[in-house]
Amino acid sequence: GAGVSQSPRYKVTKRGQDVALRCDPISGHVSLYWYRQALGQGPEFLTYFNYEAQQDKSGLPNDRFSAERPEGSISTLTIQRTEQRDSAMYRCASSLVGGSTEAFFGQGTRLTVV
Amino acid sequence: AQSVAQPEDQVNVAEGNPLTVKCTYSVSGNPYLFWYVQYPNRGLQFLLKYITGDNLVKGSYGFEAEFNKSQTSFHLKKPSALVSDSALYFCASFGAGKSTFGDGTTLTVKP
Repeated sequence: GAGVSQSPRYKVTKRGQDVALRCDPISGHVSLYWYRQALGQGPEFLTYFNYEAQQDKSGLPNDRFSAERPEGSISTLTIQRTEQRDSAMYRCASSLVGGSTEAFFGQGTRLTVV
Repeated sequence: AQSVAQPEDQVNVAEGNPLTVKCTYSVSGNPYLFWYVQYPNRGLQFLLKYITGDNLVKGSYGFEAEFNKSQTSFHLKKPSALVSDSALYFCASFGAGKSTFGDGTTLTVKP
């Protein structure tokens, strides 16, 4: 596609439910990043893939958060047993390869846990 | 560990005046440094990057940034500000996968 696409754009879920957030990166981009952004703050790194391999997941807050990119393209960030503190904007970005090439960001998914 | 700091939450300038948005970094090894801009209800857009080479890098919309290794800074500059430059600006470092963003600086350009 022309840009990074994230779906859904908005998600409201009840506390305790599982949610899956999808990211479709720019075609041919090797690297894919997930971030969480609170209002008024910069994006907070969650995890990073090269192709299908998860290179770094040190930013995932706890074991309720997981991510996969099984075919090296589309990625899913899953939050199990959601809590109110998980409410935030979740952003995905992709880059051609590694940290020296600029990352292109999607519009984000606004998650609200009620 | 790597970190990026933007010491100013807010920068106000008059249209036509030069602007500077400050960024300092703490990165082991050679830093890959970036500036991004975010408009309301939009995603982040790439402005410019420093990887290696010339310390002065030029980017989109007339912006430039100067990499200063001795001061560990990467300040964003523009010679003549426009009202349309008003937005939220983020400095970031990328390296070995993990990336770190500053907390952002809100730039307001007044007519």
